[in-house]
Amino acid sequence: EVQLVESGGGLVQPGRSLKLSCVASGFTFSDSGMNWIRQAPGKGLEWVAYISSGSSYIYYAETVKGRFTISRDNAKNTLYLQMTSLRSEDTALYYCARRSYFTHFFDYWGQGVLVTVSS
Amino acid sequence: DIQMTQSPASLSASLGETVTIECRVSEDIYSNLAWYQQKPGNSPQLLIYDANSLADGVPSRFSGSGSGTQYFLKINSLQSEDVASYFCQQYNNYPWTFGGGTKLELK
Repeated sequence: EVQLVESGGGLVQPGRSLKLSCVASGFTFSDSGMNWIRQAPGKGLEWVAYISSGSSYIYYAETVKGRFTISRDNAKNTLYLQMTSLRSEDTALYYCARRSYFTHFFDYWGQGVLVTVSS
Repeated sequence: DIQMTQSPASLSASLGETVTIECRVSEDIYSNLAWYQQKPGNSPQLLIYDANSLADGVPSRFSGSGSGTQYFLKINSLQSEDVASYFCQQYNNYPWTFGGGTKLELK
């Protein structure tokens, strides 16, 4: 069974940093592209970042480019999102999601981790 | 960026009814479209990909159709467990974008 378990969220002040983790199991993590997707409270979904299976390809949404860094450790089956210079508008539930093997839809999602940016 | 416009934003329907949700796209995405269901308090789950292919384990009362810039999600014989928000997503072009969502409630 595919499982994606996020952690590392919490309350953080504007301008500070936070690092999210997502531990994967139930599939060959090193073969899969992975994403972070967020959802502000009561709002829709926003794709944030993507990393290919071997970390060769990395893409970001314009709203986080230069502030967020996606990375992965295939030996630990873990995906990361380093978030810096956080803003109130980054407040959201952050999901990690697996890219389908075929193309870029998201076939499995974690349960999400809440990040609240507030003073 | 490709813009995704879903309608309606909310929908109230009775058990057993058929409902249709539309997703209009700002440019041709060649059927590179997925639909997700998000039940209250849960994470999104894949329903449909490639505009009309049912994901594993999804009941056959769900179907997708459309092409070009107009796509539809249809739910036949609405069940109580279908109460959820539904989102479309295009994956034809980076950045991958979502529709604003449709909240489906029971009448």
